Amino acid sequence: QKEVEQNSGPLSVPEGAIASLNCTYSDRGSQSFFWYRQYSGKSPELIMFIYSNGDKEDGRFTAQLNKASQYVSLLIRDSQPSDSATYLCAVIAGNEKLTFGTGTRLTIIP
Amino acid sequence: GAGVSQSPSNKVTEKGKDVELRCDPISGHTALYWYRQRLGQGLEFLIYFQGNSAPDKSGLPSDRFSAERTGESVSTLTIQRTQQEDSAVYLCASSHGRSKPQHFGDGTRLSIL
Repeated sequence: QKEVEQNSGPLSVPEGAIASLNCTYSDRGSQSFFWYRQYSGKSPELIMFIYSNGDKEDGRFTAQLNKASQYVSLLIRDSQPSDSATYLCAVIAGNEKLTFGTGTRLTIIP
Repeated sequence: GAGVSQSPSNKVTEKGKDVELRCDPISGHTALYWYRQRLGQGLEFLIYFQGNSAPDKSGLPSDRFSAERTGESVSTLTIQRTQQEDSAVYLCASSHGRSKPQHFGDGTRLSIL
């Protein structure tokens, strides 16, 4: 089992709809969770981080963490074409190592 | 403020040559990381530095790869006797600590002919 798993996609969402990206992790001792956005040919850019169970909102983005079920998700409301990118989930496990998922490619359809 | 700076942005070299990549972290960041990303692939962890502690080299793929960092300053990643499979984007990131968010540089795109 991979430490951090994401559906590779591509995930296609109509403009204006909600995009939902999911990530599961294997280490129950994981404490810190991050979402990065990576445009093609560019480096990853941190967009959200979450440490506690529940929801964390920042503008159009909401990160959701459920430690009991070992998943973290990212919701993007009112999706825009500029949101088209690969979204990387990253988790700091109990050994304090940050592990990235392989990413989900998101395409927003105008 | 200045972000993570990497140089060169692009490097083309012949197979068998040595290359040196440079990373200048965000000022005040004690942790520094190197990753490799092959075309269309995910991030592959290479090495991690935290202050003056011994680095975590567990991700280095072979003994042709090495990295140095003095204190909390610049780091260099050296690849000796380059092979075509070394072609990738090499990304550097820094953070305030291992459990803190990492911020990435723009990367060095390495092409081995």
